[in-house]
Amino acid sequence: AQSVTQLDSQVPVFEEAPVELRCNYSSSVSVYLFWYVQYPNQGLQLLLKYLSGSTLVKGINGFEAEFNKSQTSFHLRKPSVHISDTAEYFCAVNPGSARQLTFGSGTQLTVLP
Amino acid sequence: KAGVTQTPRYLIKTRGQQVTLSCSPISGHRSVSWYQQTPGQGLQFLFEYFSETQRNKGNFPGRFSGRQFSNSRSEMNVSTLELGDSALYLCASSTAGAIISEQFFGPGTRLTVL
Repeated sequence: AQSVTQLDSQVPVFEEAPVELRCNYSSSVSVYLFWYVQYPNQGLQLLLKYLSGSTLVKGINGFEAEFNKSQTSFHLRKPSVHISDTAEYFCAVNPGSARQLTFGSGTQLTVLP
Repeated sequence: KAGVTQTPRYLIKTRGQQVTLSCSPISGHRSVSWYQQTPGQGLQFLFEYFSETQRNKGNFPGRFSGRQFSNSRSEMNVSTLELGDSALYLCASSTAGAIISEQFFGPGTRLTVL
């Protein structure tokens, strides 16, 4: 069975500072990895995904993530955050054989002025 | 293209009642999945439908059921509501394919059970 661990439940950061949101997964098979963002009272929006190929994945809103198979990690980064990035971020894994996503517990990113 | 729509957006019910939630996927998407989101348990997969057939089911009691219609619209039903069923229920649609390359989520239905 696969699982996803988001190591930080809350990450406060000042505006224009860099941020990294950590995600580790466990799976015995090849996986597909995703980062989603959820703004208050809204559904989930896909930021980026890793299916295969280059391990550095670029997404929307200036976010990027790096797939590290040896460390089973898929950390999300942004070099300079904005107030509007304040939201909850979810890492998710799909092992490819199952038509469902397994989500981490989420990281609340709060960007401070 | 219009996004995934869910109705109603908010719902208040009392224990013991039943509820039906509706989801309209993006045009052309034939797979619809349902997730439950709660502060305590996070996001949990309920079930997935494709071409009116349930293809995958999460670890939820039989009180939770769903169906999909020929136009790909989906409904989920919860019978004999319990306080713990209070949650945001999210619907997601995707194209048919061998893997889930991307799921598009609706805004959710927030269910409150009193």
